[in-house]
Amino acid sequence: DAKTTQPPSMDCAEGRAANLPCNHSTISGNEYVYWYRQIHSQGPQYIIHGLKNNETNEMASLIITEDRKSSTLILPHATLRDTAVYYCIGYYNNNDMRFGAGTRLTVKP
Amino acid sequence: GAVVSQHPSRVICKSGTSVKIECRSLDFQATTMFWYRQFPKQSLMLMATSNEGSKATYEQGVEKDKFLINHASLTLSTLTVASAHPEDSSFYICSAVRTGGLTEAFFGQGTRLTVV
Repeated sequence: DAKTTQPPSMDCAEGRAANLPCNHSTISGNEYVYWYRQIHSQGPQYIIHGLKNNETNEMASLIITEDRKSSTLILPHATLRDTAVYYCIGYYNNNDMRFGAGTRLTVKP
Repeated sequence: GAVVSQHPSRVICKSGTSVKIECRSLDFQATTMFWYRQFPKQSLMLMATSNEGSKATYEQGVEKDKFLINHASLTLSTLTVASAHPEDSSFYICSAVRTGGLTEAFFGQGTRLTVV
């Protein structure tokens, strides 16, 4: 698994874009970058994943740098319900999936 | 998206008893399932990797005789906490990996275990 580094916490104003960075400089060539979030006392929720290209779905966008050493998760219009801990993980097939400390995002009114 | 059902969501048991937690993938087959525990305000800690039909692989420091994992089918893995003690109280979470095409891992809703 790639070791990932994320800021411990971030704040974002409601309605604004939330940009969550992740450093994964040790990611291997076949590992995808996955993003999950965990709202208090629930199981993690899948958000998005990608390999090289930028990805977008109904929840978020994922921007991966060309060298794949870092990525940014973008929540385009954050709401109060997006307050959660966000985890970035490097993962491939059936390797072990380990979580780092994540970023606690607080969306404020 | 794919659904992983974890049961029970909460359990309170007496010290010395055993508790079984089930993890089911409802609409896909999962060769691999992961078990985690999480203490308050901490990240998820991987306990073991469970592969269908074979013995689980435990992380260093996790007692395999205390945390018994069985993955007898492609849709069900169980974690049994044997002779539970108060220090085993925690939030336990499973995930199931869907393969075929793009690999994705989906998580159960977690089990809050309290040992009294």
